[in-house]
Amino acid sequence: SQQGEEDPQALSIQEGENATMNCSYKTSINNLQWYRQNSGRGLVHLILIRSNEREKHSGRLRVTLDTSKKSSSLLITASRAADTASYFCATDDNDYKLSFGAGTTVTVRA
Amino acid sequence: GAVVSQHPSRVICKSGTSVKIECRSLDFQATTMFWYRQFPKQSLMLMATSNEGSKATYEQGVEKDKFLINHASLTLSTLTVTSAHPEDSSFYICSVETSGGANFDNEQFFGPGTRLTVL
Repeated sequence: SQQGEEDPQALSIQEGENATMNCSYKTSINNLQWYRQNSGRGLVHLILIRSNEREKHSGRLRVTLDTSKKSSSLLITASRAADTASYFCATDDNDYKLSFGAGTTVTVRA
Repeated sequence: GAVVSQHPSRVICKSGTSVKIECRSLDFQATTMFWYRQFPKQSLMLMATSNEGSKATYEQGVEKDKFLINHASLTLSTLTVTSAHPEDSSFYICSVETSGGANFDNEQFFGPGTRLTVL
């Protein structure tokens, strides 16, 4: 079942600006993952953060996890037009299945 | 990671026909694969877990007789939409789970998806 909720639903920013999106979930998790999906394509894994981690970086991506608030954020710094996509959080509650959030559609204007 | 392919990438069929979608793990022997469905502007919904050599596990509300899954080898899982109807039109995506059951991190690698349109 779908666990995560994301906000905002859509985000439009200028190239070079930062984009922040949030994900909230309901039950305890083993880890939380962020994926990117370009229009009409499959999903690309971006970053995984474990339940005992609070922050993780990968290139221009920064992910935070607050298990007390059951929330996570994804920050994309210095955005580029190629970052235009939908971004999904997914939680793994240790049953080998992922539950996806509703997604945030990010549009980066040149 | 794992490289996952799907075939066909898009298919258009008439109502009442059956459509088979293949999901291949090209460089990883996948004991477990997952099948998702995604409607326009919506999230991915897990349909079923495909286990090599055994029956698939379906999520609540997914008809196992309508969505037949076969995982006969470690590199191939197939989803057959039987007697397809227009409401079955959707984007079907498979994924491969690479922890091999020794799970700490369930990281999945996704295929490019198959767009099904039922007329």
